[in-house]
Amino acid sequence: EAGVAQSPRYKIIEKRQSVAFWCNPISGHATLYWYQQILGQGPKLLIQFQNNGVVDDSQLPKDRFSAERLKGVDSTLKIQPAKLEDSAVYLCASTKQGGGDTEAFFGQGTRLTVV
Amino acid sequence: AQSVAQPEDQVNVAEGNPLTVKCTYSVSGNPYLFWYVQYPNRGLQFLLKYITGDNLVKGSYGFEAEFNKSQTSFHLKKPSALVSDSALYFCAVSSTTGGFKTIFGAGTRLFVKA
Repeated sequence: EAGVAQSPRYKIIEKRQSVAFWCNPISGHATLYWYQQILGQGPKLLIQFQNNGVVDDSQLPKDRFSAERLKGVDSTLKIQPAKLEDSAVYLCASTKQGGGDTEAFFGQGTRLTVV
Repeated sequence: AQSVAQPEDQVNVAEGNPLTVKCTYSVSGNPYLFWYVQYPNRGLQFLLKYITGDNLVKGSYGFEAEFNKSQTSFHLKKPSALVSDSALYFCAVSSTTGGFKTIFGAGTRLFVKA
């Protein structure tokens, strides 16, 4: 079984530029999550999709962050414009269903550095 | 509001000795508790979970965790540590009344010395 795929692995951009991250979850997994992990902290949920609908985006800074999962499979997270404090690892995860009692499978993450 | 605390930034243990990584939580409703491990340059990997039933949960790589409802704790344990266990460990919690949102602790770095 293929794991959660993310690209790129690393990205360096200047502040005020835009950037996009891509995630392909495990086949058949209905629920997809984007997390932000700042150095020294645990992952923080940005957005949760159930199929192609948003379940929770309460912690997504909507003035600069956007995410979509148009066909209920892969997903894109975008930041525009980026700020220095957006430097973090962005993790994508998926579960078979979103009931909270199921373990998540994580991708390797995208390390974003904003300079 | 849900929260999870890992009171130790780092745990140091000698190889062959038992290890404990601590986790306490606060939720309304019944908790679902998880432990994940993160090796360098790799994503988080699931170790074990408590949903219901037996308070002692066994997971991957010889790890186990004990759910203690009265102390709201879910400490990760292993009887005999290996150098290869050195990694970053995260406790996570969701609940039946928290919208099933999973909250992660800040992580504990485990260092096992040969």
